[in-house]
Amino acid sequence: QVQLQESGPGLVKPSETLSLSCTVSGDSISSNIYYWGWIRQPPGKGLEWIGSVYYVGSTYYNPSLRSRVTISIDTSKNLFSLKLSSVTAADTAAYYCARQARSNPWFDPWGQGALVTVAS
Amino acid sequence: EIVMTQSPATLSVSPGERATLSCRASQSVSSNLAWYQQKPGQAPRLLIHGASTRVTGIPARFSGSGSGTEFTLSISSLQSEDFAVYYCQQYNSWPPITFGQGTRLEIK
Repeated sequence: QVQLQESGPGLVKPSETLSLSCTVSGDSISSNIYYWGWIRQPPGKGLEWIGSVYYVGSTYYNPSLRSRVTISIDTSKNLFSLKLSSVTAADTAAYYCARQARSNPWFDPWGQGALVTVAS
Repeated sequence: EIVMTQSPATLSVSPGERATLSCRASQSVSSNLAWYQQKPGQAPRLLIHGASTRVTGIPARFSGSGSGTEFTLSISSLQSEDFAVYYCQQYNSWPPITFGQGTRLEIK
């Protein structure tokens, strides 16, 4: 049974870079049939797709965040990572990682989420 | 970008009754639509993909329908555990993948 687990700092200062990792267990991140994605949810609000990565390193980003986002993959550690630069209070959110089938990129399963607060 | 609009924002229904949630796409997404359920403090859970295909383990009281731009999630005979927030998501044309703003299903 595949499981995903987010990890990283829960507090980031304004203008700094938010960094999170998602460790995958029960499946190989090198599979050629999946993408691996990041989604965020500000407190009390809806879901926003951030971006996704394929095992060869190909990336797909939300145009609204593209200039600040980098998603990478480490097949040796079976994890993928998110970096969001120049953060502001508006980036305070629960950040989720999830698996996507390449043929039909809905999200399943999801990690439990990591709350990241941007504050000084 | 395809905009997904869900209605109503909040739906109040009594246990045992039927709930009908709507999702509209700003342009056709064919049947490339998923529904998720999210309970407080939890990650979203996939319920339905392909507009009408239930995920393994999801009760038969959940059903999805529609294609093109109009979609419906129906929950027959509501149970206490069904009261949650529901999101639709299109994956027909991406990036970006887009979600609806959610419908909160609350106990009447």
